[in-house]
Amino acid sequence: QKEVEQDPGPLSVPEGAIVSLNCTYSNSAFQYFMWYRQYSRKGPELLMYTYSSGNKEDGRFTAQVDKSSKYISLFIRDSQPSDSATYLCAMMVEGGADGLTFGKGTHLIIQP
Amino acid sequence: AAGVIQSPRHLIKEKRETATLKCYPIPRHDTVYWYQQGPGQDPQFLISFYEKMQSDKGSIPDRFSAQQFSDYHSELNMSSLELGDSALYFCASSRRALYGYTFGSGTRLTVV
Repeated sequence: QKEVEQDPGPLSVPEGAIVSLNCTYSNSAFQYFMWYRQYSRKGPELLMYTYSSGNKEDGRFTAQVDKSSKYISLFIRDSQPSDSATYLCAMMVEGGADGLTFGKGTHLIIQP
Repeated sequence: AAGVIQSPRHLIKEKRETATLKCYPIPRHDTVYWYQQGPGQDPQFLISFYEKMQSDKGSIPDRFSAQQFSDYHSELNMSSLELGDSALYFCASSRRALYGYTFGSGTRLTVV
């Protein structure tokens, strides 16, 4: 079993819908949680970075971390066609040893 | 704002040849990471450097080596290339390992 599980999709929703992306993990040592957006053939772009359990909001994006359930989410409000991309969750243990562990990524399609 | 610069953007090599990938991190970032991303795969951590010293090592083959120079740029050297080495190679940098990484646009290596 991979340390980080993420549904690869594709997830297709109409423009303006609220999108929910999720990851589960098994390693309780993960302390830092990130969401990256990756367009085709481009480098991952950091969207959200969180440390503690709870919610963090930045514009149309909300990241949610539930350490007790080992579950993280990214919500996108008022989705736009330009949000169409692959969204990767990533996690890291305290101190950053072994770098980031990524989920497989969810391919999101926003239909105009 | 300055980003992580990688060169070359594309590279085509034959089997058993050698390749060198370069990475120029964001100024004042003290940590550099190398990742390999195969088609449809999530990025896999290869190796990292903190203040020009090797920090952590992931799934980097023995045929690969890397170093960070006095100006903080890093090079990934790949020898005896195999067809399976064809992938996107990303460099990322951060200021202290605790913050989200900024990725470069990657080098697409094709081994034929």
